[in-house]
Amino acid sequence: ELKVEQNPLFLSMQEGKNYTIYCNYSTTSDRLYWYRQDPGKSLESLFVLLSNGAVKQEGRLMASLDTKARLSTLHITAAVHDLSATYFCAVDIRGNEKLTFGTGTRLTIIP
Amino acid sequence: GAVVSQHPSRVICKSGTSVKIECRSLDFQATTMFWYRQFPKQSLMLMATSNEGSKATYEQGVEKDKFLINHASLTLSTLTVTSAHPEDSSFYICSASGQTASYEQYFGPGTRLTVT
Repeated sequence: ELKVEQNPLFLSMQEGKNYTIYCNYSTTSDRLYWYRQDPGKSLESLFVLLSNGAVKQEGRLMASLDTKARLSTLHITAAVHDLSATYFCAVDIRGNEKLTFGTGTRLTIIP
Repeated sequence: GAVVSQHPSRVICKSGTSVKIECRSLDFQATTMFWYRQFPKQSLMLMATSNEGSKATYEQGVEKDKFLINHASLTLSTLTVTSAHPEDSSFYICSASGQTASYEQYFGPGTRLTVT
């Protein structure tokens, strides 16, 4: 059974600081997704990572994928309050588009 | 980008009644649609996968007779919660994928169901 774990589950950080969210998964996969969810809202797609070593950046967020380690990271640079949200990674292990979501990381940026 | 809509956005119903939720892809043909549920402060759990014109595939533990899914066209899938009970109260989110090489799934805005 595929397990997708994120850590930390909760993260409170000050504006301007850097931090990394980790996503570990238990079965080989080369498709990993990152999403953002605001309270009461649906998911917003952030990144799609499709191969080992893939790195993508958008603004203050950067995501990477290491398929050998079964690990993806979401790095936040110089955090701002607008980044406060819950972040999910999701894995597609069979290439059939069925996503298994991680536990989520609730990020709070403190001014 | 591709847009997926859901209707209704919120619904309150009485225990024992049935509720239908629609998921539409507005500007692309969705060969596959997925239904997820999310309980408060929890992650998303895949309920079922539907392909146009064929029966939905349900995940383990999801009652197919309780959660009826129809994918009648390439732009519409419906989820009907039959004989709803308070424990069915949840946030239901659909997603859709089309015949593209991007491997993106496009998520709808979600439907919050409250069963009283």
